[in-house]
Amino acid sequence: GQNIDQPTEMTATEGAIVQINCTYQTSGFNGLFWYQQHAGEAPTFLSYNVLDGLEEKGRFSSFLSRSKGYSYLLLKELQMKDSASYLCAPMDSNYQLIWGAGTKLIIKP
Amino acid sequence: IAGITQAPTSQILAAGRRMTLRCTQDMRHNAMYWYRQDLGLGLRLIHYSNTAGTTGKGEVPDGYSVSRANTDDFPLTLASAVPSQTSVYFCASSDGTSGTGELFFGEGSRLTVL
Repeated sequence: GQNIDQPTEMTATEGAIVQINCTYQTSGFNGLFWYQQHAGEAPTFLSYNVLDGLEEKGRFSSFLSRSKGYSYLLLKELQMKDSASYLCAPMDSNYQLIWGAGTKLIIKP
Repeated sequence: IAGITQAPTSQILAAGRRMTLRCTQDMRHNAMYWYRQDLGLGLRLIHYSNTAGTTGKGEVPDGYSVSRANTDDFPLTLASAVPSQTSVYFCASSDGTSGTGELFFGEGSRLTVL
């Protein structure tokens, strides 16, 4: 079956760095997306990885290891506005996204 | 309008009633999707459409129907609503018939079935 595993909740301090891990099992693989979702709002696109390695985009970076079925999202210089849920979503062989339940990130001053 | 618009944003509905959630996009994206999001679960795909005139079933299609008469509109219909269909519904679109592009989401429709 297809499965996504990411922590339910994480807490971090403003200005710090946090890494949100995601492991996945899918039928085929066509890349992995990370989305951010603030409470009561729609998900918004953060990153897409299809090859192994690190993709950096400002304060956010995303890493992928296809052989390990593993990805992480790294957030640097945390700001209060980064408090949100972060959704890991690999794409299977049918180009359908398989969504994790998301990691709720709480930022404390 | 810019992006994806969903209507209504919120609705309370009696069980057994018929309900259509509307979704319109102005980005000329080929692919459109309907998801439901429930607490503690990931987004679950209800139906999708890779291009106008075609639709497909997702993970949880029972009790829902869709149509794609043109590129812009992708309504979702609950023929006879049941309480288990209480959820937040998101419409999304992407640029690419195989759906390899990022998804753009509407603001969501919060539906409560009593």
